[in-house]
Amino acid sequence: EADIYQTPRYLVIGTGKKITLECSQTMGHDKMYWYQQDPGMELHLIHYSYGVNSTEKGDLSSESTVSRIRTEHFPLTLESARPSHTSQYLCASSVNYNEQFFGPGTRLTVL
Amino acid sequence: RKEVEQDPGPFNVPEGATVAFNCTYSNSASQSFFWYRQDCRKEPKLLMSVYSSGNEDGRFTAQLNRASQYISLLIRDSKLSDSATYLCVARSNSGYALNFGKGTSLLVTP
Repeated sequence: EADIYQTPRYLVIGTGKKITLECSQTMGHDKMYWYQQDPGMELHLIHYSYGVNSTEKGDLSSESTVSRIRTEHFPLTLESARPSHTSQYLCASSVNYNEQFFGPGTRLTVL
Repeated sequence: RKEVEQDPGPFNVPEGATVAFNCTYSNSASQSFFWYRQDCRKEPKLLMSVYSSGNEDGRFTAQLNRASQYISLLIRDSKLSDSATYLCVARSNSGYALNFGKGTSLLVTP
């Protein structure tokens, strides 16, 4: 069983609020990812990190930002939430570029 | 054009049936392929990797056809617990990103 955690699991918040979605893994994986998934749609990569102090934007443009100060921690921040940010956010990690282990996800609703 | 395309289904099959899903990928440089399983409102989990020679894991068989750029998943003797969405995934060796299909929904009924 993969040891990757996300908090909060559910978040309902008003427009304009700053939010941080937490992701932690205890497997010592160098690579970590953030995906966005809308209901019935495919996962889209929004951020990627291949190690401490490295972050890259993914294929899907996102107004969120990420940081990677510690190997195990990869938080995602939205400075000013909008209804268009309503989605499920999935964090993942991997040893190599193949099998990725996913966290349980955060379901974000912005009113 | 999407990188990975799948028939969304749903596929409704009785217990014990054999069911097959296909997906196609558009990037001929794709080198690594996978099937992930995603239960309703849960995270995706790796079901199996797909090798050029084809591979089998219990009731599940995956095949890759590079010439036609498609991947298949065969499930034999379907169980109720197989009900889920099956995601087809491709990655090119030059890229870090996994490209996910939308998924094919399977419902196995008693």
